[in-house]
Amino acid sequence: SQQGEEDPQALSIQEGENATMNCSYKTSINNLQWYRQNSGRGLVHLILIRSNEREKHSGRLRVTLDTSKKSSSLLITASRAADTASYFCATGLRGSSNTGKLIFGQGTTLQVKP
Amino acid sequence: EADIYQTPRYLVIGTGKKITLECSQTMGHDKMYWYQQDPGMELHLIHYSYGVNSTEKGDLSSESTVSRIRTEHFPLTLESARPSHTSQYLCASTRGGTSTGELFFGEGSRLTVL
Repeated sequence: SQQGEEDPQALSIQEGENATMNCSYKTSINNLQWYRQNSGRGLVHLILIRSNEREKHSGRLRVTLDTSKKSSSLLITASRAADTASYFCATGLRGSSNTGKLIFGQGTTLQVKP
Repeated sequence: EADIYQTPRYLVIGTGKKITLECSQTMGHDKMYWYQQDPGMELHLIHYSYGVNSTEKGDLSSESTVSRIRTEHFPLTLESARPSHTSQYLCASTRGGTSTGELFFGEGSRLTVL
């Protein structure tokens, strides 16, 4: 079973609208990260939120973390056509045997129509 | 921009061939990773390394092997490629430490085995 599951799998919005993606996970984490992947390319790190943080902002990005529900959300405000990409959450697991590994979710494919 | 490079970007080969996917980073990172990703799917960790002469298998079983003779270099080898190995292979690195920070990804190597 997957450590991270994302919802929705696909999202299509108009330019200027907000996009919200959710991520749920199963085990204790040190941190949760969000990445972006353009089609056929590598992943680019967007933002990291630690397990003792509840909310973090970076430009048009807002990430929340609820460790009691084991869930996180990524909000992109005032979306642009250039935001079209796949977005992945990744969890840094707690525990010495898992140190240094990130487990990725299935991703949300976002399409922003001009 | 990330200083991590993968070659080749695209490779089409016949069954039974030996292939090596190269990954190099110039950031002096101790931790390096190989992920496998099928189109539109999540990333699966297949190998990781915490430093020179240190390699471990990831969560997804893979017939590939890796080596870490130099800090900056983390090649992946398939001794006898099969069609089931067709996939995208992503290399990543990060600084050392007890928890996983931001991963820097290469652009990926897309392998097709005929």
